[in-house]
Amino acid sequence: AQKITQTQPGMFVQEKEAVTLDCTYDTSDPSYGLFWYKQPSSGEMIFLIYQGSYDQQNATEGRYSLNFQKARKSANLVISASQLGDSAMYFCAMREGGNNYQLIWGAGTKLIIKP
Amino acid sequence: EAGVTQFPSHSVIEKGQTVTLRCDPISGHDNLYWYRRVMGKEIKFLLHFVKESKQDESGMPNNRFLAERTGGTYSTLKVQPAELEDSGVYFCASSQGSGAQSMNTEAFFGQGTRLTVV
Repeated sequence: AQKITQTQPGMFVQEKEAVTLDCTYDTSDPSYGLFWYKQPSSGEMIFLIYQGSYDQQNATEGRYSLNFQKARKSANLVISASQLGDSAMYFCAMREGGNNYQLIWGAGTKLIIKP
Repeated sequence: EAGVTQFPSHSVIEKGQTVTLRCDPISGHDNLYWYRRVMGKEIKFLLHFVKESKQDESGMPNNRFLAERTGGTYSTLKVQPAELEDSGVYFCASSQGSGAQSMNTEAFFGQGTRLTVV
């Protein structure tokens, strides 16, 4: 079963607009963490934001915020005031509790910011 | 501080040949991970080292793949013999700490090695 689902293979957004990238997850573990990574054309994976399953508030990092809806098992990434440099692949990933530290990944969303 | 570096950045080999990918983690990071993204599919976990020991190799696809981490520093991932389905981008990541990590421990990634088997 798919553990991380990103339903948007690609998105076009006008510069300066806000954009929401969808991510839903599936786990029976009460302890888990959710990550978003950005992969620009240069290839490296850049960590953006983290949300823990027990965190009471939605995570924010600058222009990035995570809309965490635990009951719906969704962890959407919101980018405010998009910039041309935000054009990249965006991956949602999950780490489950226990002694397993691997990240489980979604298929990614290719975001293109239009000038 | 140097980040995670991977070599080579690209490799094109013929089916049946051997290829060795290298990863240099961030200095002091005990945890080292290998991931792979096959074209059009999700990134998949391959294995996890803690220092020189294999903590979890449940993601290794078959015995044509061999990973080592001599002395707990850099790691190599050898594919022998390579098959067409091995084509993809191989990522290496490292993180601090050994043994138990915090759930939010960030993994730092390299730029990946794009492997093409023809």
